[in-house]
Amino acid sequence: KAGVTQTPRYLIKTRGQQVTLSCSPISGHRSVSWYQQTPGQGLQFLFEYFSETQRNKGNFPGRFSGRQFSNSRSEMNVSTLELGDSALYLCASSPGDKGSTDTQYFGPGTRLTVL
Amino acid sequence: AQSVTQLGSHVSVSEGALVLLRCNYSSSVPPYLFWYVQYPNQGLQLLLKYTSAATLVKGINGFEAEFKKSETSFHLTKPSAHMSDAAEYFCAVSSSGTYKYIFGTGTRLKVLA
Repeated sequence: KAGVTQTPRYLIKTRGQQVTLSCSPISGHRSVSWYQQTPGQGLQFLFEYFSETQRNKGNFPGRFSGRQFSNSRSEMNVSTLELGDSALYLCASSPGDKGSTDTQYFGPGTRLTVL
Repeated sequence: AQSVTQLGSHVSVSEGALVLLRCNYSSSVPPYLFWYVQYPNQGLQLLLKYTSAATLVKGINGFEAEFKKSETSFHLTKPSAHMSDAAEYFCAVSSSGTYKYIFGTGTRLKVLA
């Protein structure tokens, strides 16, 4: 089975712009989660989508949004970029129906640099 | 609220020596715990997981972890370190009912020749 794919792998944007990141989950997985990884804050949960609905949300401002399509692919959008948004954005997929024992499989990440 | 604490942000071991990476958890309900490894410029790879079936969990690449409820610990070990084990290791707990993982701050493992 193919793993989780994320595109693009690298992005450079300037402050005030917006950006869209894409994630394709493992075939058959219906849950997609997004995490932000920075040296200062570590790995922080952004949100999780299941069957096109946002099921869980972390503590990020409304500039961070996402969506999921009927084929389970997910996109994440960040509007009005700030310097502090520079990070590695990781997508993880899981079956989504096993509760706390659901295992998340991570993609390689998108490295976003905001100048 | 659930949380994990990883003691030691940096650990150095000699090649062939025992690897011990520490993780303590806090949870009011039976926790589900995971260890992931991250190599430079890559995503997270699952090493092993504890989901209450057995307290000693064996993972990939010779790693194992033991769940100790009395000590609220889930330490990761490997009998003999290899140069290829140099990476950052993350302990995580699955937040009950939310499909959200809470990660520790990570431990960077350095293997000395």
